[in-house]
Amino acid sequence: GQQLNQSPQSMFIQEGEDVSMNCTSSSIFNTWLWYKQDPGEGPVLLIALYKAGELTSNGRLTAQFGITRKDSFLNISASIPSDVGIYFCAGRLGNGNQFYFGTGTSLTVIP
Amino acid sequence: GAGVSQSPRYKVAKRGQDVALRCDPISGHVSLFWYQQALGQGPEFLTYFQNEAQLDKSGLPSDRFFAERPEGSVSTLKIQRTQQEDSAVYLCATRDSDSGANVLTFGAGSRLTVL
Repeated sequence: GQQLNQSPQSMFIQEGEDVSMNCTSSSIFNTWLWYKQDPGEGPVLLIALYKAGELTSNGRLTAQFGITRKDSFLNISASIPSDVGIYFCAGRLGNGNQFYFGTGTSLTVIP
Repeated sequence: GAGVSQSPRYKVAKRGQDVALRCDPISGHVSLFWYQQALGQGPEFLTYFQNEAQLDKSGLPSDRFFAERPEGSVSTLKIQRTQQEDSAVYLCATRDSDSGANVLTFGAGSRLTVL
């Protein structure tokens, strides 16, 4: 299957700091999704991106669809304790039905 | 229903036992996916249904894994003769094809532990 590499693998930050994470692929994707997963729960959609260069915000979260279509970025501004969790990127090739998921970025926010 | 519902939430099986995991999709969502998530990993695709048709089962790891969706609504993932390496969270997701949003909505998952 497709390999989506997320970095960093984990982050420990102080409350109030901004966070940046990214996802890269060797293939071109037509859709990028960002999910957050809390322990014992399924992934919850944060942001969906459909066009190269697209920049979309959801509250304190902002994500971008890379212009090469092989990467995507997620930023969280002014982090708060409830931002703790694992963040996954997911990409879709062409018009296929399958979404490929990244390896995840674990975020810890220290109050 | 309002969301994707999965049952059981937790299942412990002895090696060699058969298990069945159920997914109740969001009403009206024709597309249904099963994913396997090993500890510390991202979800890995298993299989995809459009209504009752299983259009892609390329991710099923062995012939011990079987999925069905006979009436195009509820789906069941069955694992026969479970092995320890089957221990994982099994996630069901549906997609609203009509909205054009093309995003997956996940259930909470079924955590399978094989002893």
